[in-house]
Amino acid sequence: EDQVTQSPEALRLQEGESSSLNCSYTVSGLRGLFWYRQDPGKGPEFLFTLYSAGEEKEKERLKATLTKKESFLHITAPKPEDSATYLCAVFTSGTYKYIFGTGTRLKVLA
Amino acid sequence: EADIYQTPRYLVIGTGKKITLECSQTMGHDKMYWYQQDPGMELHLIHYSYGVNSTEKGDLSSESTVSRIRTEHFPLTLESARPSHTSQYLCASSDREDQPQHFGDGTRLSIL
Repeated sequence: EDQVTQSPEALRLQEGESSSLNCSYTVSGLRGLFWYRQDPGKGPEFLFTLYSAGEEKEKERLKATLTKKESFLHITAPKPEDSATYLCAVFTSGTYKYIFGTGTRLKVLA
Repeated sequence: EADIYQTPRYLVIGTGKKITLECSQTMGHDKMYWYQQDPGMELHLIHYSYGVNSTEKGDLSSESTVSRIRTEHFPLTLESARPSHTSQYLCASSDREDQPQHFGDGTRLSIL
C-alpha cells in the first residue's frame, strides 16, 4: 500500500538552530515528490518538486533533497517567520495517486 | 503566483441548509480538486475533475457533490448541511496530475 510518513510531528527550534524534516515514502513508483508550506487558516503553498534520487532544490533558508526512500527538508538558520506546517506529497506512477503526508508543525522561537 | 479563489472564506449556517462553496482558477488548468481538512489534521481528497464534464469521488467518502461545466469553475454543493460537515474545504488545481497543485485559501464551514 502506498504510504507517506512525515517526522517529527512537531518541532520547536530556537532562531538560528538548523534542523531537518523527514518525509519517508513507500509507493508503487515515484513520479514526483512535492514539499508545501501551510500557514494557519491558509491553503498549502508549493515549495519544491523533486523527481529523482540525488536531486536537490534550494530556496532561501530551505533545501530539499531526495533519496530512493525519503526526502529531507533542511532548514538553515531558521527565523520565526519560517514557523508553519510543512507538508510532503508524492505522485505515484503505479496507482496514479497524489498522496499527502500528515505534516510537520514547525515553531521557531525568537 | 497561483490564482485560485475560494468563496466564502468563512460560513456559519444552520442544519438542513443547502450550501455551495465556490472555487475558480484563472490558470487554465484542466485538473481541479477538493480536499477536506480538519484543524491540525491531514488533507483528504473528496472530489476531483480532469476536465469539463469530468468528476470523480476521492478517497474520503463525502455527501457533497461537484460539477465542472467550465474549465475555470469547480463548485462544491451540500444539499442539506449537518454538523458533521463542519470542516475546512480546500480547492486546488494543477496543469497535470503529476505536477504541483495550487491551492486556494479555503472555506471554513461551521454547521450549527
